[in-house]
Amino acid sequence: DAKTTQPNSMESNEEEPVHLPCNHSTISGTDYIHWYRQLPSQGPEYVIHGLTSNVNNRMASLAIAEDRKSSTLILHRATLRDAAVYYCIPVSGNTPLVFGKGTRLSVIA
Amino acid sequence: DAGITQSPRHKVTETGTPVTLRCHQTENHRYMYWYRQDPGHGLRLIHYSYGVKDTDKGEVSDGYSVSRSKTEDFLLTLESATSSQTSVYFCAITSGQVNYNEQFFGPGTRLTVL
Repeated sequence: DAKTTQPNSMESNEEEPVHLPCNHSTISGTDYIHWYRQLPSQGPEYVIHGLTSNVNNRMASLAIAEDRKSSTLILHRATLRDAAVYYCIPVSGNTPLVFGKGTRLSVIA
Repeated sequence: DAGITQSPRHKVTETGTPVTLRCHQTENHRYMYWYRQDPGHGLRLIHYSYGVKDTDKGEVSDGYSVSRSKTEDFLLTLESATSSQTSVYFCAITSGQVNYNEQFFGPGTRLTVL
């Protein structure tokens, strides 16, 4: 499994953009990069995933470095509801997700 | 929201008793997973299933068994519960190949073993 490195915690002001980094320098060429988040007292929820190109959806954007050794999850305008633990997970084929400790995002009103 | 439920949602039991947790889905998804989450840890995979009667072990499978006799149900059994199995248990489902598809998680079961 590719190893990931994420900051333990980050803080953002409400309504400002947030950039959550993830290093995955051992990722293989065919691994997708998935992001999940876990709100307090809930199960994780899918945020976004991509392979090489940058990706956008209604929740967030995913920027993937050209060498694929890092990626950044971008929340364009943080809200209080975005306070959660964010997990970056390289995914290979059909192998189950492997969760690290993630980044705990705090949003300040 | 994906149709995935877990039962019971909360359970308190005593050491040495058997416990079965149920995960039920209405999505007809092929893949189902059981994870546990403890304070200070991310989710850790216990067992998973890639079809009816097809299961495999995860990272922390000791002390747990699973069964999947129907597409919609994935059961996790603790044959003889221990205090170290006190945890929050999450079930998850995926429709197809994991790297292409999102995984949906249930609400969790909080298990306390006294």
